Amino acid sequence: GEQVEQRPPHLSVREGDSAVITCTYTDPNSYYFFWYKQEPGASLQLLMKVFSSTEINEGQGFTVLLNKKDKRLSLNLTAAHPGDSAAYFCAVKNTEGADRLTFGKGTQLIIQP
Amino acid sequence: DAGVTQTPRHEVAEKGQTIILKCEPVSGHNDLFWYRQTKIQGLELLSYFRSKSLMEDGGAFKDRFKAEMLNSSFSTLKIQPTEPKDSAVYLCASSLGGQDTQYFGPGTRLLVL
Repeated sequence: GEQVEQRPPHLSVREGDSAVITCTYTDPNSYYFFWYKQEPGASLQLLMKVFSSTEINEGQGFTVLLNKKDKRLSLNLTAAHPGDSAAYFCAVKNTEGADRLTFGKGTQLIIQP
Repeated sequence: DAGVTQTPRHEVAEKGQTIILKCEPVSGHNDLFWYRQTKIQGLELLSYFRSKSLMEDGGAFKDRFKAEMLNSSFSTLKIQPTEPKDSAVYLCASSLGGQDTQYFGPGTRLLVL
């Protein structure tokens, strides 16, 4: 079945710096990708979803890049601020298991002042 | 519209007890998911319902975990008997199905002594 590896498990950057979180997946038929943010004590909130037909998606303060050839998905936070401190999870949907999502194990991001 | 609601938010149980967690999906959503979240394993799928029918029952969790969906607006997850290793956050999510996003509830934090 699908395997999703997320790196790094922990990341600490200074306020104003950029942060990059990467997920690699194994199933070439994966077609729908998600990034979720989880603040301490809270549930998962959708950050962005991308289809396999798009390669770059920009949000407020971040960019999601999809490299289908390398089966790699990345979340790039630009100019990190304290409100970005949270756990981030990627999730991948593929053609097996109906609408099952396979999640990465998460990245704990800490923004230092 | 109300999001996914879960009760209780916190539960403490003695080893061997039976506990029941509750979830109300977003109104109109067809798919409902139960996940277990731990720091070591990340998010693990326990059960998945589509239009109240059980589509996936989480394999390794079958013996002591039972999810039910008696109507389209309410689901329960029963753990019987509980063991200390069941201590985790249990998340419920729902979606319209297909390519739609999964929306997560606030979770139930379970501690088994």
